[in-house]
Order: sequence, then structure tokens, then C-alpha cells
Amino acid sequence: DAGITQSPRHKVTETGTPVTLRCHQTENHRYMYWYRQDPGHGLRLIHYSYGVKDTDKGEVSDGYSVSRSKTEDFLLTLESATSSQTSVYFCAISVGKNYNSPLHFGNGTRLTVT
Amino acid sequence: RKEVEQDPGPFNVPEGATVAFNCTYSNSASQSFFWYRQDCRKEPKLLMSVYSSGNEDGRFTAQLNRASQYISLLIRDSKLSDSATYLCVVTGNTGKLIFGQGTTLQVKP
Repeated sequence: DAGITQSPRHKVTETGTPVTLRCHQTENHRYMYWYRQDPGHGLRLIHYSYGVKDTDKGEVSDGYSVSRSKTEDFLLTLESATSSQTSVYFCAISVGKNYNSPLHFGNGTRLTVT
Repeated sequence: RKEVEQDPGPFNVPEGATVAFNCTYSNSASQSFFWYRQDCRKEPKLLMSVYSSGNEDGRFTAQLNRASQYISLLIRDSKLSDSATYLCVVTGNTGKLIFGQGTTLQVKP
């Protein structure tokens, strides 16, 4: 168990509202990631972090922002949720020392935007 | 062309069967290769890494073919509990890990 907790586990929100998803880890790993998973697309990287206050965009970053003010917390924010952001969101950490190390995932957050 | 491609299946096999999945990748410079397993409505979990010389873990064998740019996963003596989606993961063009869409396996009694 890599000690990753995502919250909330489920959320239903309305179009246009801001939403923040939280990822918390207990093992001081440097690299953290946010993915979304949709049928027909698999897992796609939204944003990632390589340290406190160090973040960068992934392949599907439009409409999302992230923050990492502490090693253990990585927040994903949808500034103004849209129906296309209905998805399952997974947080992950690299258990090794670089981007190519295996990832361990949190339990996921199911977000529905109505 | 997608960076990582898998046959989505589903593969329907009887218990005890041997089944193999392939995954092709486009980045010839890829250095890291993994197979993940994902159960329905659960998070992906690392099944095994794939090494250049091939590697085995119990009933599971993973192989890498750099010349043809594919990795494979072989499952012997399939169990009902092997039913899941298997995700291929490789280093993408940006240096980050890229996930395939997954291959669904259904093992039937």
C-alpha cells in the first residue's frame, strides 16, 4: 500500500461550478500525477508534479489547474466544470526516483458534471 | 498513430487456457515497460515490469521485442480471478509513462 488517499470518492456537481479534488500521500514521494480515465481513451495525464510548487502540464490539461504546497498533498481544480470533465480521476505517485518508475494509484474519484 | 496500442478484446477464454496479449508502441527510445491490471471500477495495479530479457512471475510471462516495438503478456492456466482489464504502459515521447487503452480478459468456468 503506497499510502495514497483521494477525496472525495464521488462527487456530483453542476456545470460552471469550481471543483477541487485532493490527493494525499503519506510516504514523501517526489512525483505525483493526476490522470483521468474515460472509455475509449484509457488513462490520460492531466498534470504532474516533481516537487513542492513544481508542476507541469500533461496531455489533457485544458480546464484544469493544480497546486502542490506540501509534499504530501496534490490538488486538482476544475475552475468551471463542464460535462466533458465527467470522468474518473486517479492520483498516482512514482515509487522510484524518476518519471519512468512504476506508478501506484489512489482509489479514484468519480466526478459527474450535470 | 497512437503511442501505445492494444487490442481491446474482449478475450473470452475457458479456465485453464493460455492467453496472450500484445501491445505495440511507437517510441523507439522507450526504456520502461509495465503491465498493469485493472478490475472493474478499481484503480490500476502494477502486475509486472517488463525486462529486455523477458521475465516470469508465476503463471505470468512478460516479453519485450524492441526490434518490432511490442511487449507481450502471457497468462498460463487461466483462473476465474484473472478476469480483468490489462493495461500496457510504456515511456512515451515526452518521457512520461503512457497507458494503452487496455485489453479485457474474461475467464469462464
